[in-house]
Amino acid sequence: DAGVIQSPRHEVTEMGQEVTLRCKPISGHNSLFWYRQTMMRGLELLIYFNNNVPIDDSGMPEDRFSAKMPNASFSTLKIQPSEPRDSAVYFCASSWDSRGQPQHFGDGTRLSIL
Amino acid sequence: AQSVTQPDIHITVSEGASLELRCNYSYGATPYLFWYVQSPGQGLQLLLKYFSGDTLVQGIKGFEAEFKRSQSSFNLRKPSVHWSDAAEYFCAVGGIEYGNKLVFGAGTILRVKS
Repeated sequence: DAGVIQSPRHEVTEMGQEVTLRCKPISGHNSLFWYRQTMMRGLELLIYFNNNVPIDDSGMPEDRFSAKMPNASFSTLKIQPSEPRDSAVYFCASSWDSRGQPQHFGDGTRLSIL
Repeated sequence: AQSVTQPDIHITVSEGASLELRCNYSYGATPYLFWYVQSPGQGLQLLLKYFSGDTLVQGIKGFEAEFKRSQSSFNLRKPSVHWSDAAEYFCAVGGIEYGNKLVFGAGTILRVKS
């Protein structure tokens, strides 16, 4: 079975540009999570969705960040405008919406803002 | 709120030696507990989980972990470490009132010397 698929794997762009990260969850999973990983702050939950509805976006750092899940098989995380401090690895994970279920992670997008 | 502490940032063991990675959690009720492993450039892979029942759980790659409620711990063990086990290990905790959100520890980097 295919795991969580993220694209692109690497993104290098200049400050001020719009960045869009994409995620395809595991088929049948109805929860989706976006994380950011940095050396300084470790793994941070940005936002998560259940059944395509955002449940908790308290981790989204500021208004420059937005996330959507238009259907059960696709989600995007957008940064506009991007800043150098947004450089990080961004992970998407999915799971069943049921207690005790583990999250399954994609391989991440390594984002570098110059 | 839940929290997770992994007291060791780095651990170095010799190949063939035994391994124990420590994890302490803070949570008022029965937690859901997970161990993940992250190799460089990859996402987090689930090693094992504790949901209920037997407090000693077996995982992939020869790892096991023991849930000790009295010590609020969920330490990861392996009797004989292989060079391929070098990676970063994350402990995570969830709970019924938090839906399927997880809180992750800061991680422990394992180095294996030959």
